[in-house]
Amino acid sequence: GEDVEQSLFLSVREGDSSVINCTYTDSSSTYLYWYKQEPGAGLQLLTYIFSNMDMKQDQRLTVLLNKKDKHLSLRIADTQTGDSAIYFCAGVSNFGNEKLTFGTGTRLTIIP
Amino acid sequence: DGGITQSPKYLFRKEGQNVTLSCEQNLNHDAMYWYRQDPGQGLRLIYYSQIVNDFQKGDIAEGYSVSREKKESFPLTVTSAQKNPTAFYLCASSIGQTSGRNEQFFGPGTRLTVL
Repeated sequence: GEDVEQSLFLSVREGDSSVINCTYTDSSSTYLYWYKQEPGAGLQLLTYIFSNMDMKQDQRLTVLLNKKDKHLSLRIADTQTGDSAIYFCAGVSNFGNEKLTFGTGTRLTIIP
Repeated sequence: DGGITQSPKYLFRKEGQNVTLSCEQNLNHDAMYWYRQDPGQGLRLIYYSQIVNDFQKGDIAEGYSVSREKKESFPLTVTSAQKNPTAFYLCASSIGQTSGRNEQFFGPGTRLTVL
């Protein structure tokens, strides 16, 4: 099955860009997702990327996918205090199994 | 307003008691999921259901039970057999298709504390 890994912590100064990284093992993953979790809340879907894409941009968010290295990243431009949260990447394979496998999450802290 | 609701937000239970967590969705999704989240850990799948009257165990099903009698509802019972039930519980739903995009949408969560 899929295994997804992320670093646990990231600190960034307000106004700088944040880059959150994720590696996965299942090369058949068709869709990869990024979720955001604020304290005490559920997960909010931020964006997704299809496996035949290298990059996807959505306002301040840029997702980069390197299929060869099985590496996914989420870049948040002009990081704001409201971006403080835990960010999860998740992948799903395309073998009739719609379960998602989540990474451990990266806690993003904004330094004023 | 379409979405997923979970109740209650906070729940306290004495050791040895069973407790049921509610999850309702009005997104007309076929698939529903229950996850457990512990501090500093990712999400672990407890049970999931792809269709009404059917469900499968996830990675940590021991000590939990579910039912799926209605498309909209997927309640989770935490039984006294669950050794360490204190955690944050998240319910999610998805369209349920087995190929293509199938992102999950999450409820606000229930924090269960065993006293």
